[in-house]
Amino acid sequence: GQQLNQSPQSMFIQEGEDVSMNCTSSSIFNTWLWYKQDPGEGPVLLIALYKAGELTSNGRLTAQFGITRKDSFLNISASIPSDVGIYFCAGRLDYKLSFGAGTTVTVRA
Amino acid sequence: DVKVTQSSRYLVKRTGEKVFLECVQDMDHENMFWYRQDPGLGLRLIYFSYDVKMKEKGDIPEGYSVSREKKERFSLILESASTNQTSMYLCASRPQSTDTQYFGPGTRLTVL
Repeated sequence: GQQLNQSPQSMFIQEGEDVSMNCTSSSIFNTWLWYKQDPGEGPVLLIALYKAGELTSNGRLTAQFGITRKDSFLNISASIPSDVGIYFCAGRLDYKLSFGAGTTVTVRA
Repeated sequence: DVKVTQSSRYLVKRTGEKVFLECVQDMDHENMFWYRQDPGLGLRLIYFSYDVKMKEKGDIPEGYSVSREKKERFSLILESASTNQTSMYLCASRPQSTDTQYFGPGTRLTVL
């Protein structure tokens, strides 16, 4: 599969902070997806992006499909404790998805 | 709501055992997938199926096989389990018309 570089690998959030993560690839994709995985559960789709340059929001989440089709970012505004979990980016070129390694979001004590 | 269920949440097996992981979806989706999830590696595709009795290898099929005899059920088989197959296994399904994959809760398999 295609290699996706997702960063940061982990981050600590404080309630109310805005956080941001991104994914880059050496290959182009036709679709970018962002998933969130809560502990002990399977990933759940947050946002899907279908067009280069597209900016899409879902509540406090905003994601963009990069112009080059090789990158995407996800922003979370005004974070809350239930935002903790693992966030995965995924890109699709043909029939299957390639996933990033994930960004683990933890609440700062 | 789409529901993807996996037969076990936790499983412990011994090296050399034959292991079956079952996945069932209730939304008549054509496509089904098996991934393994390991820390720092994300989700890696083992096998997928786009129709009954059809299967395609993913990125890491070695040591695994699959079976899809009915549309709603996709089974992952470890013919002879090894310790390096200790992992979280995730099943997903997807309708033909979208990119959205719906995941099950996962099976955490430990091979001793």
